[in-house]
Amino acid sequence: QSALTQPASVSGSPGQSITISCTGTSSDVGGYNYVSWYQQHPGKAPKLMIYKVTDRPSGVSDRFSGSKSGNTASLTISGLQAEDEADYYCLSYTVSGTVIFGGGTKLTVL
Amino acid sequence: EVQLVQSGAEVKQPGESLQISCKVSGYNFFRYWIGWVRQMPGKGLEWMGIIYPGDSDTRYSPSFQGQVTISADKSISTAYLQWSSLRASDTAMYYCARDPGWGDGFDYWGQGTLVSVSS
Repeated sequence: QSALTQPASVSGSPGQSITISCTGTSSDVGGYNYVSWYQQHPGKAPKLMIYKVTDRPSGVSDRFSGSKSGNTASLTISGLQAEDEADYYCLSYTVSGTVIFGGGTKLTVL
Repeated sequence: EVQLVQSGAEVKQPGESLQISCKVSGYNFFRYWIGWVRQMPGKGLEWMGIIYPGDSDTRYSPSFQGQVTISADKSISTAYLQWSSLRASDTAMYYCARDPGWGDGFDYWGQGTLVSVSS
């Protein structure tokens, strides 16, 4: 069970938008609308940002949005802010009844 | 207020056994999945496994099947992650996290338990 594929790093300037991709297979990302995204700052526990592909938990900024096409899910952050600099991970539930993370993406706000 | 409070850091030698805990409060322990996640130093998140305390349905990542045991004690609203024989490669931060419903993502996380294994 290999990790979902994410770019190792992305960057953007304050105010810009960035998109992080998460590619899996028809047995995970493509199989269900059960993709979630997590933000992790150094030394902190992960925080849920998006669940079920597009839903945002209460309290999460609407600058964060999710989407999916086929076997690839995406997280878009609009109006980048310095506080968005963190590691981001996607997660998918699988048709075999397990869960798998992406390899993680380091977001740098220039 | 939902809280997941994990046991403290551990320093162990290879071959020793270990059980770390995740005590929850603020919701009905029986009705939500609890998962465990490993993060090795400087590395990404890895899903280890998950348990549904209501009926003890437990699922493991193929990478961790047979390497760890996940359990839960409903009487004290606590989930556990256990090793029978630690290795140096088990050195990592371990998080527990709540899944409100299969597929809903992990909405609340413990603070993490650092496990260090060295001779």
